[in-house]
Amino acid sequence: AQSVAQPEDQVNVAEGNPLTVKCTYSVSGNPYLFWYVQYPNRGLQFLLKYITGDNLVKGSYGFEAEFNKSQTSFHLKKPSALVSDSALYFCAVRDIGTGRRALTFGSGTRLQVQP
Amino acid sequence: DAGVTQSPTHLIKTRGQQVTLRCSPKSGHDTVSWYQQALGQGPQFIFQYYEEEERQRGNFPDRFSGHQFPNYSSELNVNALLLGDSALYLCASSLELAGLTQYFGPGTRLTVL
Repeated sequence: AQSVAQPEDQVNVAEGNPLTVKCTYSVSGNPYLFWYVQYPNRGLQFLLKYITGDNLVKGSYGFEAEFNKSQTSFHLKKPSALVSDSALYFCAVRDIGTGRRALTFGSGTRLQVQP
Repeated sequence: DAGVTQSPTHLIKTRGQQVTLRCSPKSGHDTVSWYQQALGQGPQFIFQYYEEEERQRGNFPDRFSGHQFPNYSSELNVNALLLGDSALYLCASSLELAGLTQYFGPGTRLTVL
């Protein structure tokens, strides 16, 4: 079975400071990993994905994520946070080895960026 | 380039009723997945449609059914509504041959009274 854990319900950071939103995963095969962002009363917006190759993935709006196979982690990062980054962030995994086509999501982390 | 669209935006039903939600995929996409997002939780996979067939299904009862049309649009039907079916229902589309990224619509907020 595939699963995702986002250990922090909320992350608070000051504008201009770097931010990290944590994600760990569990799969039986090789993972495809995704980050999505959700603004209030909106659907999910795709930020970035890791499929294969370079462990550092760059995505939209200045976000990046680092894939660490030994720690089964895929943390989301941004060098300098903006107030407009405040939203709900979801990590998701798809286990390619099992043939499952569904994304399994974490419970979400609320990012609050203070001015 | 139109993204994923869903209708209606909001819906209020009473227990025992039936509901149909609709989704139009992103232009060029042929695969549609449906997810349920309860308040304060991450989305849960309901099922996926490709070539007008249900291809995979999550852990949801048979009260949840769907359909995909030749133009790739899709419907989600829920029968015998329960209070616990109140949630945001999200549709996601992808392209089978390049289909790793699922793009989500804005969702339909269903309230069951």
